[in-house]
Amino acid sequence: NAGVTQTPKFRVLKTGQSMTLLCAQDMNHEYMYWYRQDPGMGLRLIHYSVGEGTTAKGEVPDGYNVSRLKKQNFLLGLESAAPSQTSVYFCASSYKGAGTARGGYTFGSGTRLTVV
Amino acid sequence: AQKVTQAQTEISVVEKEDVTLDCVYETRDTTYYLFWYKQPPSGELVFLIRRNSFDEQNEISGRYSWNFQKSTSSFNFTITASQVVDSAVYFCALSEGPWMDSSYKLIFGSGTRLLVRP
Repeated sequence: NAGVTQTPKFRVLKTGQSMTLLCAQDMNHEYMYWYRQDPGMGLRLIHYSVGEGTTAKGEVPDGYNVSRLKKQNFLLGLESAAPSQTSVYFCASSYKGAGTARGGYTFGSGTRLTVV
Repeated sequence: AQKVTQAQTEISVVEKEDVTLDCVYETRDTTYYLFWYKQPPSGELVFLIRRNSFDEQNEISGRYSWNFQKSTSSFNFTITASQVVDSAVYFCALSEGPWMDSSYKLIFGSGTRLLVRP
């Protein structure tokens, strides 16, 4: 089935460890986003990409890096994990936002990350 | 700047009651899109509705209805005859048109947790 696949679904890290979350979409979408969800705060945008080879900062980018070397993949990296990065991470993709016939957003199922 | 406010943190109702979830938004743009998503206990985000800023008609889908009022910058969601399966966190979200923000990013409210008791 077409959609957004996030890998891994769960992960426990020790403080200071690094890891990469992978987001893959097979819908040829131009735009991809990484959000984090914390209790009582909704989903907040970490980084986004408007096309292959481009990335930009969102609302809460500190402590994260991203790369989009291939159009279908958007990687989120934590270089030195901190307990404050314990969260649920969602990836989303969009053809061209909400205003087109193919508009709308497709979300992955989330990655639950715990940093101890 | 874009902002979405869901002032109701948690709502608890008894099954078959009607319940309205409030959403108030701020935007500089005249072209924007509003969304509602449902997040059941399983954690995934389920798309419910998308509405553009030029369409103020209310929409009904089964037990769900949405009331969009540009004059008050509100996009409220009503569940009629609530059921236990409606228990979830509900998010309202906003996306501006490309003239103000070419990233097309979604801005979410903080969510409202709805508990429907049998």
